Amino acid sequence: QKEVEQNSGPLSVPEGAIASLNCTYSDRGSQSFFWYRQYSGKSPELIMSIYSNGDKEDGRFTAQLNKASQYVSLLIRDSQPSDSATYLCAVRGISGTYKYIFGTGTRLKVLA
Amino acid sequence: SAVISQKPSRDICQRGTSLTIQCQVDSQVTMMFWYRQQPGQSLTLIATANQGSEATYESGFVIDKFPISRPNLTFSTLTVSNMSPEDSSIYLCSAGTDTEAFFGQGTRLTVV
Repeated sequence: QKEVEQNSGPLSVPEGAIASLNCTYSDRGSQSFFWYRQYSGKSPELIMSIYSNGDKEDGRFTAQLNKASQYVSLLIRDSQPSDSATYLCAVRGISGTYKYIFGTGTRLKVLA
Repeated sequence: SAVISQKPSRDICQRGTSLTIQCQVDSQVTMMFWYRQQPGQSLTLIATANQGSEATYESGFVIDKFPISRPNLTFSTLTVSNMSPEDSSIYLCSAGTDTEAFFGQGTRLTVV
């Protein structure tokens, strides 16, 4: 089982719709969770971080965390064509080197 | 957020040679990491760069092939040694704290 799993997509949504991206992780000791956006040919950029169960909102983005189910999600409201990118889920544990482990990413296409 | 400068941004190298990639952070960070990203793939962690001591390598990566230095809190180098075409990839430096991690712009390496 991979440490961090995401559906590779592509996930296609019409402009203005809500895009829902999901991520599961295997290490129950994980404490910190992150969503990165990566445009083609660019390096990943941090969108959101979440540490506690529940929702965290930042503008059009909402991160949701359920540690019991080992599940993290990212909702993008009012999706725009500029949101078309690959979204990477990252998880950081509490032991060892505190490294960030990335999922394979979900490619999102927002159709104008 | 930290600003990470990585160089070179790209290089074309002959097989059998070595390339050293530099990563400079504009502020003190607790953690520095090196990742590899194959085209269309997610990020694979090569190692955690430890200040003043040997790096911590992930499974499948060894020091002889990917020697790493981190002489202080803001600078690290990754060397790709005895290169083969299979080493062609994007190499990314990442630096962060307990709560967030950021990426350099990456080094696109082509081995011919």
